Amino acid sequence: DIVMSQSPLSLPVIPGEPASISCRSSQSLLHSNGFNYLDWYLQKPGQSPQLLIYLGSTRASGVPDRFSGSGSGTDFTLKISRVEAEDVGVYYCMQTVQIPRTFGQGTKVEIK
Amino acid sequence: QVQLQESGPGLVKPSETLSLTCSVSGGSMSNYYWSWVRQAPGKGLEWIGHISYSGSVNYNPSLGGRVTLSVDTSRNQFSLRLRSVTAADTAVYYCVRDIEVVPEPSGSSYQYYGLDVWGQGTTVTVSS
Repeated sequence: DIVMSQSPLSLPVIPGEPASISCRSSQSLLHSNGFNYLDWYLQKPGQSPQLLIYLGSTRASGVPDRFSGSGSGTDFTLKISRVEAEDVGVYYCMQTVQIPRTFGQGTKVEIK
Repeated sequence: QVQLQESGPGLVKPSETLSLTCSVSGGSMSNYYWSWVRQAPGKGLEWIGHISYSGSVNYNPSLGGRVTLSVDTSRNQFSLRLRSVTAADTAVYYCVRDIEVVPEPSGSSYQYYGLDVWGQGTTVTVSS
């Protein structure tokens, strides 16, 4: 299985400031079609996870443009340009290039 | 818009079979894969497997062959069965929309837009 590793696991943030989460995979997520099969999800407290980014850098419908995804191969980053209070929760990366799909451990983002 | 709703018993005894159903509303099941994801208390997310509208399946080997997914497009439902459960199977179980299958003259192509629609989740506790 592909192992996904996120850092940091806990991220205190200040509203209005930028934030960044790293995700690394044990194998390349770059498909022969040129896409990186890496998603980002946010699970707000008491809610189901919601899709933020798919294929490494494409924002899902309705996701604010302060969220951006980048990276290729085995190293990926989720950036929040200016954190808002509603962004708190646990962020997960997930690879979909290989079965079984696997998630990172999660990064808990909370307001400092 | 498409909505998903999980249903099934909230309590299952050890060694018995956990059975859940996901009802799809606001759209057709056709031309998609449908996943199950679970989350043990205080833990992260685990992908269980997925099934296409035509019945093609992929499972997570970590579940040791205990999983069976099925689909009933006439009822717009898909189901999960997990046999020989233990306390380690206690979790919130989510059903999720997955890959889109696009019919083409020479076959089908697979379009991936993320796990974009999630059910609210259902809590299953394994206990005697």
